[in-house]
Amino acid sequence: EIVMTQSPATLSVSPGERATLSCRASQSVSSNLAWYQQKPGQAPRLLIYGASTRATGIPARFSGSGSGTEFTLTISSLQSEDFAVYYCQQYNNWPPEVTFGGGTKVEIK
Amino acid sequence: QVQLVQSGAEVKKPGASVKVSCKASGYTFTSYYMHWVRQAPGQGLEWMGIINPSGGSTSYAQKFQGRVTMTRDTSTSTVYMELSSLRSEDTAVYYCAGGPTAWNYWGQGTLVTVSS
Repeated sequence: EIVMTQSPATLSVSPGERATLSCRASQSVSSNLAWYQQKPGQAPRLLIYGASTRATGIPARFSGSGSGTEFTLTISSLQSEDFAVYYCQQYNNWPPEVTFGGGTKVEIK
Repeated sequence: QVQLVQSGAEVKKPGASVKVSCKASGYTFTSYYMHWVRQAPGQGLEWMGIINPSGGSTSYAQKFQGRVTMTRDTSTSTVYMELSSLRSEDTAVYYCAGGPTAWNYWGQGTLVTVSS
């Protein structure tokens, strides 16, 4: 099983500042990497897929980079609505294998 | 617009089974694989398995092999996830999710509580 490790577990950031979240895979996942945002009581929302492609309707302040085993989600200027938990996910539709990282909570500093 | 609407909350006793439904609308039902994932209280996301709505083929995470069954009904555009031999550790919110690129669409979640 591919293990996904996210760091840090918690990130304290002031509104308007830049946030950088990391995700590492235990073996190469090529670019089959997605990022999701989850707010309390809500289902996750897809932000980035293919490691760097923004999903429909996602603001340009969200960007993803990386390939292989090292990935980064950057939020260029944090807005109040961005404080949430972020998960990375490696995915392969068939043969299916899906694992999530443990999440990074972005909180207000 | 695309919607995945799940069935309501369930309370089950240990050893029982639960069956959660996920009704799709707004797109061609057989176009996207559908996944099931769960989230225990205060915890992260855990993938359970996948079903191909077109042919009905499935693949389950090893952890759930033998306890989970995923099915679909193309006449109602609905996928189902049944989990048996429930224990307290299965208390979680269960989500269906899928889409054309990664998991664009999610159900609203179904809380399953296992308690004696």
